[in-house]
Amino acid sequence: GAVVSQHPSWVICKSGTSVKIECRSLDFQATTMFWYRQFPKQSLMLMATSNEGSKATYEQGVEKDKFLINHASLTLSTLTVTSAHPEDSSFYICSALTSGVGTQYFGPGTRLTVL
Amino acid sequence: GQQLNQSPQSMFIQEGEDVSMNCTSSSIFNTWLWYKQDPGEGPVLLIALYKAGELTSNGRLTAQFGITRKDSFLNISASIPSDVGIYFCAGQLFTSYDKVIFGPGTSLSVIP
Repeated sequence: GAVVSQHPSWVICKSGTSVKIECRSLDFQATTMFWYRQFPKQSLMLMATSNEGSKATYEQGVEKDKFLINHASLTLSTLTVTSAHPEDSSFYICSALTSGVGTQYFGPGTRLTVL
Repeated sequence: GQQLNQSPQSMFIQEGEDVSMNCTSSSIFNTWLWYKQDPGEGPVLLIALYKAGELTSNGRLTAQFGITRKDSFLNISASIPSDVGIYFCAGQLFTSYDKVIFGPGTSLSVIP
């Protein structure tokens, strides 16, 4: 089946620094990728929709200047958390959409801890 | 906005028992999805439903797309310890290319 990877799987950073998370579709091309955030014991909340070659579409309440998304190729989307603060600590999960069938496959997630 | 509700919120069952969980929505969805998430991992798709009334099975799992398009259920038969996890229902409004909206999840614990 389709495989989506994320890197890093976990990251710890100091408050005020920026962190980049990569999402890759390993064996298929994804024109659309989605970024989610999940706080402990809660559901996945969609942050933004990332389309290859165009600007991401952000959900209401998500700051686009804080969560920078770049979908530079059909297999890679990146999420950069800028000037991270402890409240940004969360589990960030991406999904990639296959063409044709339109199935979304999820990555394994990235655990971000901001000290 | 669209909101999904899942019941029960959590359940503890004996190994071998059957499990049933529900999902309801305030809006009509054209696609219903059921995912399982293990701790520290991303969700894994279990079953996808594309037509109202559709009943689909995947091994010991069976899910149905409600006729009203506002609900779905998931049944797990003869539960085993590895069924432990969080089960999320999710919906897509128009097509399978749309963003996925997740329910709050049902936590399942299986007692050996």
